Amino acid sequence: EVQLVESGGGLVQPGGSLRLSCAASGFTFGSYAMTWVRQAPGKGLEWVSTISGGGGSTYYADSVKGRFAISRDNSKNTLYLQMNSLRAEDTAVYYCAKVQGATVFDYWGQGTLVTVSS
Amino acid sequence: EIVLTQSPATLSFSPGERATLSCRASQSISSFLAWYQQKPGQAPRLLIYDASNRATGIPARFSGSGSGTDFTLTISSLEPEDFAVYYCQQRGSWPPSFGPGTKVDIK
Repeated sequence: EVQLVESGGGLVQPGGSLRLSCAASGFTFGSYAMTWVRQAPGKGLEWVSTISGGGGSTYYADSVKGRFAISRDNSKNTLYLQMNSLRAEDTAVYYCAKVQGATVFDYWGQGTLVTVSS
Repeated sequence: EIVLTQSPATLSFSPGERATLSCRASQSISSFLAWYQQKPGQAPRLLIYDASNRATGIPARFSGSGSGTDFTLTISSLEPEDFAVYYCQQRGSWPPSFGPGTKVDIK
């Protein structure tokens, strides 16, 4: 059974940093691209970032480019999102998801809430 | 960047009714469209990918159709657990993007 468990969310001040983690199990982690999708309170879904299975290719939404960094440790079956220079508009539930084929998100974690506020 | 439109924002049905949801893309995305279901407090769940392929474990009452710019998700007979928000998502052009969602609620 595929399981994705996010952690690392919390309250952070504007301009601060946070690192999210996503622990994966139930599939061959290194064989699949992984992604982060976020959802602001009461709003829709927004794609944030994707990383290839080997970690050599990364992609970002314009809204986070230069501030966020996606990475993975295939030996630990873990995905990361380093978030720097956080803004109030980054407040959201952040979901990690497994990528099926090309950019279809077939399994999702339960999400972790990031709140950026002073 | 491709913009997806889902209208109306809310649809109301009674259990057992047939529901048809619409998603329109701002330019052609071939058949590269997926549908997700999200219930309050839960993560999204993949229902349909590449316009018409049901994901693993998805009941046969869910079906998808369309290509180019116009797509439809049909729920043949609404069950109580189907009342939720439904999002479409395109992968036909980078970056991937989601529609604003359609809420299916109980009449």
